[in-house]
Amino acid sequence: GENVEQHPSTLSVQEGDSAVIKCTYSDSASNYFPWYKQELGKRPQLIIDIRSNVGEKKDQRIAVTLNKTAKHFSLHITETQPEDSAVYFCAASKGGGADGLTFGKGTHLIIQP
Amino acid sequence: DARVTQTPRHKVTEMGQEVTMRCQPILGHNTVFWYRQTMMQGLELLAYFRNRAPLDDSGMPKDRFSAEMPDATLATLKIQPSEPRDSAVYFCASGLLIGNTEAFFGQGTRLTVV
Repeated sequence: GENVEQHPSTLSVQEGDSAVIKCTYSDSASNYFPWYKQELGKRPQLIIDIRSNVGEKKDQRIAVTLNKTAKHFSLHITETQPEDSAVYFCAASKGGGADGLTFGKGTHLIIQP
Repeated sequence: DARVTQTPRHKVTEMGQEVTMRCQPILGHNTVFWYRQTMMQGLELLAYFRNRAPLDDSGMPKDRFSAEMPDATLATLKIQPSEPRDSAVYFCASGLLIGNTEAFFGQGTRLTVV
């Protein structure tokens, strides 16, 4: 089955700096890669996703890049703010997400004031 | 504001007892997922349904776990008998998954088995 590795497990950055979280996946058939943000005690919420026919997608301060050949994808957050502090999960799925998600272990992002 | 609703939000039970968790997916969504979250294993897919039919439950311990969808507005996850290692947060998620692949998560049920 699919295996998703996520790094780093903890990331501390100064407010206003950029943060990058990286994931690799093992199944070349995976074609949907969402990123979820989870605040303490809350539900995971989708922040951005990318499909395998696209190399990059951006939404305001958040961007995701995908390298299908290398089987890795990354989340980039620019101009970080205190409210960006949370745990971020990457995931991969076949069938465009319809077959359930395999998650990475998560990255605890800490924004230092 | 359409949301996935899970009940109960918290459950403490003794080892050996039966536990039933319920999920009301967003109206009109055709796919329902059950995930389990623990510190050690992270978020794991247990099972999922499409149009109420079970499609995959390979992530679920079959001897004690069962998942059903008696109607389009209710999905259940049952553990019998429960064990301390089942302590986790159980999330239900739903999606339409036709043209839109986003899965919306419920608030979760925090289960503690003592």
